[in-house]
Amino acid sequence: SQKIEQNSEALNIQEGKTATLTCNYTNYSPAYLQWYRQDPGRGPVFLLLIRENEKEKRKERLKVTFDTTLKQSLFHITASQPADSATYLCALHKFYFGSGTKLNVKP
Amino acid sequence: ETGVTQTPRHLVMGMTNKKSLKCEQHLGHNAMYWYKQSAKKPLELMFVYNFKEQTENNSVPSRFSPECPNSSHLFLHLHTLQPEDSALYLCASSQDLREGNEQFFGPGTRLTVL
Repeated sequence: SQKIEQNSEALNIQEGKTATLTCNYTNYSPAYLQWYRQDPGRGPVFLLLIRENEKEKRKERLKVTFDTTLKQSLFHITASQPADSATYLCALHKFYFGSGTKLNVKP
Repeated sequence: ETGVTQTPRHLVMGMTNKKSLKCEQHLGHNAMYWYKQSAKKPLELMFVYNFKEQTENNSVPSRFSPECPNSSHLFLHLHTLQPEDSALYLCASSQDLREGNEQFFGPGTRLTVL
């Protein structure tokens, strides 16, 4: 079965820097990959979807890359702000989620 | 507000109790989902309904019983739960099951089983 790995350790960065989060998966490459944001006490909120034939996708300060050779997706937040502090989840296909990486942006 | 509501937000129950979780979506979607989220674990898919028909049961114990009376409502009936069932239960919906449709999540029900 598919296994999804996200760094379980929190990522601490300074405001204004670029945050980079990693999502690795095993086995077969999915047709698409999604990223979600989850705040404490709330359900995940969809951010971006990238398909296997897309190398990169952007939305405002967010950028996602998808490397099917490395079986990896990178999620970047440029010019990070304290309000970006949350847990970020990657999801393969429709139902398979990683455990998420907590991002802390310090002012 | 995501358009998906869940009640109650918090629930404490004994192992012999029977309770139900309710989910309602106001987005006109046709697919609805139940997930379980335990601390430091990935979201675990439990059930999927599409046009009121169950399409996925991810080997969930029978003490969890879903019900989907219409495309807008989803219930999760609980009975004789175990302490390890304590978790955040999330409901989600999407337009349908086609590839790439984003899911909209509710705020979840925090369940504690004593």
